[in-house]
This record gives sequence, C-alpha cells and structure tokens, in this order.
Amino acid sequence: EPEVTQTPSHQVTQMGQEVILRCVPISNHLYFYWYRQILGQKVEFLVSFYNNEISEKSEIFDDQFSVERPDGSNFTLKIRSTKLEDSAMYFCASRDRPGNEKLFFGSGTQLSVL
Amino acid sequence: ELKVEQNPLFLSMQEGKNYTIYCNYSTTSDRLYWYRQDPGKSLESLFVLLSNGAVKQEGRLMASLDTKARLSTLHITAAVHDLSATYFCAVDTNNDMRFGAGTRLTVKP
Repeated sequence: EPEVTQTPSHQVTQMGQEVILRCVPISNHLYFYWYRQILGQKVEFLVSFYNNEISEKSEIFDDQFSVERPDGSNFTLKIRSTKLEDSAMYFCASRDRPGNEKLFFGSGTQLSVL
Repeated sequence: ELKVEQNPLFLSMQEGKNYTIYCNYSTTSDRLYWYRQDPGKSLESLFVLLSNGAVKQEGRLMASLDTKARLSTLHITAAVHDLSATYFCAVDTNNDMRFGAGTRLTVKP
C-alpha cells in the first residue's frame, strides 16, 4: 500500500530555533494536512492545504507556523521560533479528494523543544 | 466550532467481554472515521462511514453511524488482548478532519 513519508522521525531543537518538518504525500493525492498530538492527548488539526494554498487552519496555526509545497512531491511545515509547548508528535496526512476517501497518515515526527 | 466527544476516555475490560465506545459530534456530517493508534505509532484507519445507517464490521469490531443523532458507535465483541490500543473517531468536514479525544482501551486476560 502507498505510504506518506515523514522525515525526520525525531527532531530535537532549542527554544527559539526554526524547524522544518518534511512530508512526502502519496503521489496522486491532492489534499494535504498537518496534525499534532501532544503526548497522551488528542490529535489536533493544524492546517489543510490544496491547490497550493491553505484551505483551513486552526487556532493553533498562528503566525509562527507556515506550510509550503516547494516542489511536486514535498509538503513542509515550518515553525519559525519554537516554544516549549510546540513539543509534540506532528503527523502529515494526505488524500486524493475530501470526503469519500480515508486520510492516510505518515508515521510522524517527534519534535522536542528544549 | 465543531466538537467531537468520545466516551469513555479510558476503558479496561476483560477478555471475552463486549463493550461499546461512543462518539458524538456537533455538526451535520455524514462522514465519520474510526482510527486505531498503538503507543508511539501513527494512526491506522479502521472504518470509513459515509451515510446514515452505515454499519461496517471487521473481525471483533463493528462501527455504525446515525447522522440524525450525530452519533457513531464502535462495538467490541469478545475482546482479546490484541485490541488494546487507543481508538479515535474523527468527523470529516471537507476541509479538515476533527478528532475526538480518544478512548484508551486495555484488554486484560
């Protein structure tokens, strides 16, 4: 079965540093998402992306966050100046159309902000 | 704002027993998903429910959707230890998918 690939699997950074989390969605998919999950807590929606623009974003997705599809395969999440509370598992997901298709999740990037 | 509520949040059950997890949501939607997550792992899709009255079964798990009541259930039949995991329901709103808080299931011998 095709997979969503995320790199790195673990990222440790200092508070205030910028991080970029990378995702390669499934190749024929058009809709991309980022979610995060703080340890032991619920999965929280951050942002959805389609046709090279943000479709929807949550209140968590403030000015410190940005997403980009720099080429035909990668989908990135940038956190400009990390805070301690950004420590979480970040999941990328994709599907080929909304609604009738299940969302395929990557294996996640564990971000630790020290 | 869309709210998705699951209960119970924690469930400890004996092997061989039956139980139901409930998922209520606050907006009209006819698309609901159930996911399983093992500790430290990603989310595995279990069921996709796309219409009122939809019922799907896989092994010891059965999911149903009542869009009028805005309720989905995940029923566990004759639980086994391998079912121990966290189960999430998620409601699809076209632009995004919103998750419940999860039900952490532990099945004891």
